[in-house]
Amino acid sequence: DAGVIQSPRHEVTEMGQEVTLRCKPISGHNSLFWYRQTMMRGLELLIYFNNNVPIDDSGMPEDRFSAKMPNASFSTLKIQPSEPRDSAVYFCASSSIPTDEAFFGQGTRLTVV
Amino acid sequence: DAKTTQPTSMDCAEGRAANLPCNHSTISGNEYVYWYRQIHSQGPQYIIHGLKNNETNEMASLIITEDRKSSTLILPHATLRDTAVYYCIVRVGTGANSKLTFGKGITLSVRP
Repeated sequence: DAGVIQSPRHEVTEMGQEVTLRCKPISGHNSLFWYRQTMMRGLELLIYFNNNVPIDDSGMPEDRFSAKMPNASFSTLKIQPSEPRDSAVYFCASSSIPTDEAFFGQGTRLTVV
Repeated sequence: DAKTTQPTSMDCAEGRAANLPCNHSTISGNEYVYWYRQIHSQGPQYIIHGLKNNETNEMASLIITEDRKSSTLILPHATLRDTAVYYCIVRVGTGANSKLTFGKGITLSVRP
């Protein structure tokens, strides 16, 4: 398996634009997690899904952020409208069950100017 | 909020054992201790986890105190490639409601 695949690897966008980050979890994994990492706040859990259902979205910072998992092999994290303070590295991770080890993707580095 | 506290940084010589401490004094009876590491610019990587017994795998050993209020991750023969931020995490919740909350971690620097 190629591991967790995230796209794009880098994204530069202007403030106010919509940004969509994509994640393909490892085949067969039922849990998917979105994290955000900044120097100031470290690694923050934004939302996680189990069997495509959002379980906990308490980490989503604002209504500008939304995440979907339409099927077991794909998830998106959308920011609309984007702001400079959203600049961060966004990681997606998956695990076979919630309590199993999580495998992380390489991340998407988002820069909002 | 993370339920663990770790020193900010430490270093060790290449080839020596690296012992990374972690305090988790408020851990509950059914909560596991997990260790991950993050090498610069990469996604975090799972190392090991345990409940109350000591654990060992090909990467490291995890020693958990009998009262479970602290643990130590041991890298038996540190190499330069082990330089990374190491996160000690208490997994909160059970089953589908379980989640990993990362703290600040400890930066391990392995020197030649």
